[in-house]
Amino acid sequence: DGGITQSPKYLFRKEGQNVTLSCEQNLNHDAMYWYRQDPGQGLRLIYYSQIVNDFQKGDIAEGYSVSREKKESFPLTVTSAQKNPTAFYLCASSALPQSPLHFGNGTRLTVT
Amino acid sequence: QKEVEQDPGPLSVPEGAIVSLNCTYSNSAFQYFMWYRQYSRKGPELLMYTYSSGNKEDGRFTAQVDKSSKYISLFIRDSQPSDSATYLCAVTNNAGGTSYGKLTFGQGTILTVHP
Repeated sequence: DGGITQSPKYLFRKEGQNVTLSCEQNLNHDAMYWYRQDPGQGLRLIYYSQIVNDFQKGDIAEGYSVSREKKESFPLTVTSAQKNPTAFYLCASSALPQSPLHFGNGTRLTVT
Repeated sequence: QKEVEQDPGPLSVPEGAIVSLNCTYSNSAFQYFMWYRQYSRKGPELLMYTYSSGNKEDGRFTAQVDKSSKYISLFIRDSQPSDSATYLCAVTNNAGGTSYGKLTFGQGTILTVHP
């Protein structure tokens, strides 16, 4: 079945450590996105990528980094510079810019 | 002011009720409108997608867009317990550049339909 796979589902890290969240899609979509979801704040865009080897900052990119070496993969690294990293992270993809997004089932990151 | 404001709820209704979920937006450049449903601990899934004013119906769901008032609604008829979820409105425009493919989401409304 086509879709977006995010792993792991739950992730725990100590403060000061970098952590990488995985996102893989087999929908053959060009565009991929990372969103962060906090209670009562909806979804906020961290980074997005329109094509391989290119990506753009979203609204809250500070403390995060990404890479897009393959069309299918768009990993997100949460660095120690992110002041409040505990959140639910959602990866998404779309075929065209105005097309609806297809979401993965998220990774819940807890940093203590 | 946020670009998209959504009634936060939470909303609790009996089974069979008609549910109305609402969002307002501030930027008249927004031309594409979506509603997503999100079950607990899952990613959002697309319910409705429209780009024009008026109504769009899909089964028990009707999306309504009023561009003149910058107001979007989702109606659920004959609500079921399985409709219990968080509902998110989202908007975007068709501009290129930095707006490319960026959705702006409302805060989400938690809906509970009790038997």
